[in-house]
Parts: sequence; structure tokens; C-alpha cells
Amino acid sequence: GQQLNQSPQSMFIQEGEDVSMNCTSSSIFNTWLWYKQDPGEGPVLLIALYKAGELTSNGRLTAQFGITRKDSFLNISASIPSDVGIYFCAGPWPNAGGTSYGKLTFGQGTILTVHP
Amino acid sequence: NAGVTQTPKFRVLKTGQSMTLLCAQDMNHEYMYWYRQDPGMGLRLIHYSVGEGTTAKGEVPDGYNVSRLKKQNFLLGLESAAPSQTSVYFCASRGGRTQETQYFGPGTRLLVL
Repeated sequence: GQQLNQSPQSMFIQEGEDVSMNCTSSSIFNTWLWYKQDPGEGPVLLIALYKAGELTSNGRLTAQFGITRKDSFLNISASIPSDVGIYFCAGPWPNAGGTSYGKLTFGQGTILTVHP
Repeated sequence: NAGVTQTPKFRVLKTGQSMTLLCAQDMNHEYMYWYRQDPGMGLRLIHYSVGEGTTAKGEVPDGYNVSRLKKQNFLLGLESAAPSQTSVYFCASRGGRTQETQYFGPGTRLLVL
């Protein structure tokens, strides 16, 4: 896989604040995925992005596919305690002339803590 | 419809012991994956399968073996456990080539002493 770098590594915020995080790569991606992992659970897909410049929302979450295709951003508005968890960006392995068979490479995650 | 289930939820092994982790999905998915999650490193792909009877290596396959004898099950084996294999293991499945979403199980926490 290829390395995805997420920033920041962790965030401690007050309930009601907005949150921004990003993911960067040295290589071009054709798809960006954002997952959330609740404590003690497996990751769940939040948003999928397929086109450079695309902006997609899912409730209070908004994600953007960067114009350069080497980055993506996730924003959470008006955070609530249940937003706590680890947020991962992910992208498909490079095709290298064939199919990637859905293999994903993940960033190291952003740990979000929300204080009531 | 249980989705993706993993057995066991937690296990403690001594160095050199062997064990098998079981993943089962009831969504008739073609593709299945095994990942390991370590602090600060995200999820890394160990092995994957694109159909019954097929398996392939992922990013970190050393020390693990897999089998997909039935479409709904994907087994991950550790023949001789090492402390470096202490991790949380996640199984995931996906419908097929045209379906984007991977569905993850709840994870198996493994401690190797």
C-alpha cells in the first residue's frame, strides 16, 4: 500500500465546536474514503469521494476530495459527545495495470475526544 | 442479518502457541480481508480473498496463513505466535468489484505473552 498521513493525530474539543482534519498522500488517489471507528468497534464508512474537487455531506459531516487528488479533508460541525472515536482516511491500492480487488490503505487515524 | 462476526473477541496466547481467528459474513460477499490495527499505524492489510478457494497476500502477511474454504468464512491462522503479533485484528467483507463499501467486524483483541 501507499502511505497516507493524517493530521492532527489527536484532538480534544468542547461539545459544539467544529472539527477539521485532513489526509495527504505523495501519490494521486482516484477515490478517498473516510471511516469512523467507535471505541471497541470496527470502522464504519462515513463518506466516499470519487472526483477531484467533490464536496460531499453526511449530516454534520462534510468531506472534500482535494483538487490535486493528493489530499482530502473532513469537517464535523457542532460536535456532540457521540462524535468521539478514531477517524481514518483510506484509499485504494494502486491498480498497477490490474484491479486492486478493493484493497485499501489507511491513514494512521485522528483520535477525537469531545468534552461535554 | 448479523453482518460480519468474529470469533473470539479476546485471546491471550503464549509465545509459540497457535490459534485460528474466524470471520463469518452472511451478506454473500465475494471479497474478504484481514487487517491488523496497532496504535498510531492505522489498519494494515494482512491477507485477502476475492472468492471461495482463493487467497492472496496483503501488506504484512508474514507469520500468518489464511483459508477460504467456504464463501462465508475467512480464517486467519497464527502457526507460532510472537509478541509482535499482539494487536487488534479486524475482518472485513465487500460485495464485489463494483461495490465500494467494506463492512468490518467488531475485532479480535490478541495478546501474545
